[in-house]
Amino acid sequence: AQSVTQLGSHVSVSEGALVLLRCNYSSSVPPYLFWYVQYPNQGLQLLLKYTSAATLVKGINGFEAEFKKSETSFHLTKPSAHMSDAAEYFCAVSPSLFGNEKLTFGTGTRLTIIP
Amino acid sequence: DTGVSQDPRHKITKRGQNVTFRCDPISEHNRLYWYRQTLGQGPEFLTYFQNEAQLEKSRLLSDRFSAERPKGSFSTLEIQRTEQGDSAMYLCASSFSGTGGDEQYFGPGTRLTVT
Repeated sequence: AQSVTQLGSHVSVSEGALVLLRCNYSSSVPPYLFWYVQYPNQGLQLLLKYTSAATLVKGINGFEAEFKKSETSFHLTKPSAHMSDAAEYFCAVSPSLFGNEKLTFGTGTRLTIIP
Repeated sequence: DTGVSQDPRHKITKRGQNVTFRCDPISEHNRLYWYRQTLGQGPEFLTYFQNEAQLEKSRLLSDRFSAERPKGSFSTLEIQRTEQGDSAMYLCASSFSGTGGDEQYFGPGTRLTVT
């Protein structure tokens, strides 16, 4: 079975500050990990994905995540927060390289940007 | 391509009534997924199809729920004898499974309120 845990249901950062959203996974098989963002009244959009090709993954909108097997983590970071980053972020795990089998999501982290 | 579309976007129904939602995937995508998202939670997998075949169904899915994809294109999700606990956002996603593969693309969701 696979699962992910997102620490912190709400995170607030000042505009221009570092964004760090935490995700830890549990998986009995090599995991494929994803970060999705959800803006109000919109569907989920893929930010980035880990597919074992590289442990540091760069995504859209300046986000990146690092896969650390020893810590079973896949934390999402962005060096400088922008007001447009305010949204809900979900970490997800899949047994499929492309994420085209079922995704198992975490409970989400709501990111607030303070002007 | 306009992406994944869902209809209706909002549905209010009385307890005990049946409801049906429709999802139109991205045209070249052969896989289609249904998820349910309740307030403060991440999306929860319900079921998915490859073409018209239903490949997996969540064990948590009540037998009041049924999904179809009769021609391998659009899909419907029906909930019979709705209960207040069915109130949630129902998300549809689609992907391509084959050489190269692709991640899941999500629609905007159908918000169901059971009164």
